Parts: sequence; structure tokens; C-alpha cells
Amino acid sequence: NAGVTQTPKFRILKIGQSMTLQCAQDMNHNYMYWYRQDPGMGLKLIYYSVGAGITDKGEVPNGYNVSRSTTEDFPLRLELAAPSQTSVYFCASSLGTGQPQHFGDGTRLSIL
Amino acid sequence: GQNIDQPTEMTATEGAIVQINCTYQTSGFNGLFWYQQHAGEAPTFLSYNVLDGLEEKGRFSSFLSRSKGYSYLLLKELQMKDSASYLCVPNQAGTALIFGKGTTLSVSS
Repeated sequence: NAGVTQTPKFRILKIGQSMTLQCAQDMNHNYMYWYRQDPGMGLKLIYYSVGAGITDKGEVPNGYNVSRSTTEDFPLRLELAAPSQTSVYFCASSLGTGQPQHFGDGTRLSIL
Repeated sequence: GQNIDQPTEMTATEGAIVQINCTYQTSGFNGLFWYQQHAGEAPTFLSYNVLDGLEEKGRFSSFLSRSKGYSYLLLKELQMKDSASYLCVPNQAGTALIFGKGTTLSVSS
């Protein structure tokens, strides 16, 4: 039972570089989410998707892009990395809004 | 809109019982989740209350009063591994869940 798989687990980027954080789930969940969590803070929603081909902005979408071409995958793209994007990124999925979210282990991203 | 109030920090000793209270004001309320998050790890689901009353799941129980906008998480027979943050998360119709900082519980021996 893989659940939600995030890669990479750790990454260091230079300012201005781009990268894609990968997220895959094998539970056939329609809903998928990207959050970031800064030290000592709660999770902030970046983007979410209610199904393949549909994405919506969360609280803090600036500087990020997402796509949802399949039910299983929901990659998060950083185009021009900035120090303010240093954070831990969590991907999650759920069957629906009234169902519990299952989280991946997170990607720890540092931008220097 | 949504407003959640729960204590920032709590401390307790091993073997004790602790109750973490949460009051909320949420339009379009559908139910309330409790999640546990250990430091440096992802949140994990503990419970989901839709109807009023107490739901028990092993050492953990969760209570909901919809009319009062109130919930609590009860942890019995505390263990050191219960040291974590506990997140009260109302499920608001038509919106994604909002996770606050929660209550950081420290269990000492």
C-alpha cells in the first residue's frame, strides 16, 4: 500500500532555478492537494484538484503551477525559485471533501 | 468564513488524561476532523465527527456539539509518543480544509 508518494524528499535549489515536485497516489482518489508548511506554522493550501483536468487556487498560489492530467498524479511546479519558497511541501489526497485526507511524507525544499 | 479557537500549548504527564478543546465558527458546516501531526512529519487522520456526540476509537475519543460550535479530543492513558500537535479542522461545504497550527501537546514522564 503505497498511498501518497512524494519525490524528492529533500532538495536544495538556487534562486531562480525551477523544479517540479512530484506527487502520486494509488488510492483512486479524485481530490488532491498541495500544502506548504513553514516552521512553527500551520499548513497553507497552495493548489487543489477535484479531478483530472480540474485545478483550483488555494490560499497561497503565487509562484506555483500545477497540472492534473491523470487521477494518480498531481505535480507542483516552481518556475523561478525564491528564498520565500523555502518550506516543507505536503501533497494529500482524499475521496471527497467529507473524507479524510491522506498525506505524503513531504518534500523539504531549501532555496539559497 | 471560518474561525477556529484551540489552545496553543498543553502539557501533561504519562498515564494521564487530557482534553483538547476546540471552538469554531464555520458557515456551511459539514463536520469536524481531528488530525495529529508529529514534529517534522505529515498530519495523520484521527477522527471525523458529523453528528453530535462522542465517538471513541481506542485511547482517543472525539466529541462534537454542532449547536455550540464546540468539539474536543480526549486522550487517555497518555504515552510519550502522544507528544504532537493536534489539529481541529472544520469541514466547510464547498471549500478545501484549512489546517491551523493546532494545539501542541507535550507529554512528560
